[in-house]
Amino acid sequence: AQSVTQLDSQVPVFEEAPVELRCNYSSSVSVYLFWYVQYPNQGLQLLLKYLSGSTLVKGINGFEAEFNKSQTSFHLRKPSVHISDTAEYFCAVTEYSSASKIIFGSGTRLSIRP
Amino acid sequence: DGGITQSPKYLFRKEGQNVTLSCEQNLNHDAMYWYRQDPGQGLRLIYYSQIVNDFQKGDIAEGYSVSREKKESFPLTVTSAQKNPTAFYLCASSIDLFGGQPQHFGDGTRLSIL
Repeated sequence: AQSVTQLDSQVPVFEEAPVELRCNYSSSVSVYLFWYVQYPNQGLQLLLKYLSGSTLVKGINGFEAEFNKSQTSFHLRKPSVHISDTAEYFCAVTEYSSASKIIFGSGTRLSIRP
Repeated sequence: DGGITQSPKYLFRKEGQNVTLSCEQNLNHDAMYWYRQDPGQGLRLIYYSQIVNDFQKGDIAEGYSVSREKKESFPLTVTSAQKNPTAFYLCASSIDLFGGQPQHFGDGTRLSIL
């Protein structure tokens, strides 16, 4: 069965500093990978997705993620964060094979300090 | 603009009462989903529907019921059998259940017990 682990429940960073939010997954088959962002009291918005092709995926708001099959990771990065990036970030995975459910990680709360 | 509308934004339930959460989408998506979100636990799937008049249990369906009489609508009823209903409920949709399709989310309903 597939699973997703977000290694950090909270990540505090200073404004304009770089950030990396870590995500590891487990699956016996090939997968699709997603990062979503959730602002307070709102639903989730898609930041980026990896389906196939280039392992470096660029998303909205200056975020990017790199798919590493050998390490089963899909870490999210941004070179310089802003106060407006304060939110919770969810990594998610689905399997190639089926009309499959998406499995979400438990989330990482990113807090930006001025 | 196309999207998903959840109502109400806040809902209070008395002991022994059933309550229904509304979810409407105008994205012409076939698949719809209900998730429950508790702090620090990510999203857990309650029910999903691939097509009108068909739906499947997710991981935590006990104490909940759904219907899918129209493509646009997927209401969730939280029954009195759900002993711990306090949570943030999110409705989502996708073009179909194919794993590579991202999900689009509504802004959620926060349910509390009186």
